[in-house]
Amino acid sequence: DVKVTQSSRYLVKRTGEKVFLECVQDMDHENMFWYRQDPGLGLRLIYFSYDVKMKEKGDIPEGYSVSREKKERFSLILESASTNQTSMYLCASSGTEVLGTEAFFGQGTRLTVV
Amino acid sequence: DQQVKQNSPSLSVQEGRISILNCDYTNSMFDYFLWYKKYPAEGPTFLISISSIKDKNEDGRFTVFLNKSAKHLSLHIVPSQPGDSAVYFCAASAQGGSEKLVFGKGTKLTVNP
Repeated sequence: DVKVTQSSRYLVKRTGEKVFLECVQDMDHENMFWYRQDPGLGLRLIYFSYDVKMKEKGDIPEGYSVSREKKERFSLILESASTNQTSMYLCASSGTEVLGTEAFFGQGTRLTVV
Repeated sequence: DQQVKQNSPSLSVQEGRISILNCDYTNSMFDYFLWYKKYPAEGPTFLISISSIKDKNEDGRFTVFLNKSAKHLSLHIVPSQPGDSAVYFCAASAQGGSEKLVFGKGTKLTVNP
């Protein structure tokens, strides 16, 4: 079974703190993604990576950065947490099969910034 | 600019009846479409997919229909069960699925016993 593991289920951080969200996948997938889910807004892509040390901005990258030093690990960094970054954060990974492949998601991290 | 639209935020059906969830897309480069199911406080789980070379794909109680000319897809669940109650997300991708997934806003399905 594909496994995507996020380091925390729940986090509470203070405004201005630097926050690290970690994600590890065990399927040797090339692609990894960070989404956030908010009520009424669906899943919005923050950043994604097609390979080690490569990163691409998604639809809402402002206030975030990412790191992919190893193929299996993709980290999301909130440089200075703000209350509007309170959200459910979802990491996903996928392969690059020619005929299409689904993305597999982690269990999510519910981040609250106070 | 929403490329994937789920216009119904919620849907309520009786157990045993059919649930039909709809999704529209605007980007003609999309050629791979997926449905995900999400329970509260959990990550989305993959349900079913369809490539643009097909117009129908079935997996047990779940069937996805694709109408490329209308840029429309739908998910049918027959028969609906209370355990199907969840938020369903439609997603689309280009390049056969190797590109990033673009998600709709989701439809909350409630199946009443």
